[in-house]
Amino acid sequence: RKEVEQDPGPFNVPEGATVAFNCTYSNSASQSFFWYRQDCRKEPKLLMSVYSSGNEDGRFTAQLNRASQYISLLIRDSKLSDSATYLCVVKAPTGNQFYFGTGTSLTVIP
Amino acid sequence: DTEVTQTPKHLVMGMTNKKSLKCEQHMGHRAMYWYKQKAKKPPELMFVYSYEKLSINESVPSRFSPECPNSSLLNLHLHALQPEDSALYLCASSQLLAGQLTYEQYFGPGTRLTVT
Repeated sequence: RKEVEQDPGPFNVPEGATVAFNCTYSNSASQSFFWYRQDCRKEPKLLMSVYSSGNEDGRFTAQLNRASQYISLLIRDSKLSDSATYLCVVKAPTGNQFYFGTGTSLTVIP
Repeated sequence: DTEVTQTPKHLVMGMTNKKSLKCEQHMGHRAMYWYKQKAKKPPELMFVYSYEKLSINESVPSRFSPECPNSSLLNLHLHALQPEDSALYLCASSQLLAGQLTYEQYFGPGTRLTVT
């Protein structure tokens, strides 16, 4: 079983829509969770760290459900500039390894 | 400042060449990473250094040789590569603090490598 699983999409949504991505992780002892955004041919950039049950930053909300072992990312009022691949990342509970989901591709269309 | 720098940005090398990729960070992070990323795939871990010592080698072929000269620098020495090694090579760093729950990882812009 993979450490982190994501729906690869693609998600094609109109501007202004709300879109949600889910990600599941296999190790119940995991404590640290992240969402990264990656534009084509660029490096991943940290979008949000997910603390306790979740957190919000403007149009972006990340939630953690420990019982079901999933993390979600909600984007409200989608902008064209939100088009990118969103990577779910889970840090190993011990050691310094980070596990990546396959990434979810989002295209926001005018 | 959350900057990780990498040089060169692009590299084209033949299969008999020897080259090195360089990575630098000044955030005081004591964990540094090399990843390889192919198109439309997530980054794939190659090596992890913790406190300047190699802590993880994900069974990477010996034609890739990492080096961590000090806490700010990370190198990846390349020799006798194959065309299938062409990819984006990403360096990253993260903090190591006992008891801290969040360990954000920051990536450099990468070196786009083409092996001919």
